[in-house]
Amino acid sequence: GAVVSQHPSRVICKSGTSVKIECRSLDFQATTMFWYRQFPKKSLMLMATSNEGSKATYEQGVEKDKFLINHASLTLSTLTVTSAHPEDSSFYICSARGWGAGNTEAFFGQGTRLTVV
Amino acid sequence: GDSVTQMEGPVTLSEEAFLTINCTYTATGYPSLFWYVQYPGEGLQLLLKATKADDKGSNKVFEATYRKETTSFHLEKGSVQVSDSAVYFCALSLSGGSYIPTFGRGTSLIVHP
Repeated sequence: GAVVSQHPSRVICKSGTSVKIECRSLDFQATTMFWYRQFPKKSLMLMATSNEGSKATYEQGVEKDKFLINHASLTLSTLTVTSAHPEDSSFYICSARGWGAGNTEAFFGQGTRLTVV
Repeated sequence: GDSVTQMEGPVTLSEEAFLTINCTYTATGYPSLFWYVQYPGEGLQLLLKATKADDKGSNKVFEATYRKETTSFHLEKGSVQVSDSAVYFCALSLSGGSYIPTFGRGTSLIVHP
């Protein structure tokens, strides 16, 4: 299947700093990317959906000014956690889907473990 | 709205036992159905998928049959191993770039030697 690369896999940052997480589709063009957050022993919580070249659509309760999403190209989306706080510590996962009416499958990155100290 | 319901976990089995993880869905259209697996500390990997009724999704060791009449897509494996211990997510998706895949809550599987 298609490959989605997420980087970094782990990051530790100080409270108040910003962290950028990258999500790349390596062998296909991802018109749509999804960003999820996963708490321990919990399911995936969709944070936002981004389409290439347009603003991300955030789910209710997700602060768009805190979680900045940029999908500037068909192979790259970034999530920036601004002014991070310990409560932002979590596992973040991106997912990407290609274009076309037959494309129903989403491919996932490896996830990023963010720890804010 | 569309939804996916999975059996509550954790499911605890001994090695070589038969595995079934139940999944049922509701959808307005004709969805594709998926099972993903998440090993500790990792992202989700596609395990198998089925795109239409009566299709059997398989990856040689796991399988699931798309049952439209019961709106189910139960995951099965004949003989589990300790290495199968993970969280399993059932999901559905409709075609169309704007459609957001719908996931179940995940079922944790623990396999003991």
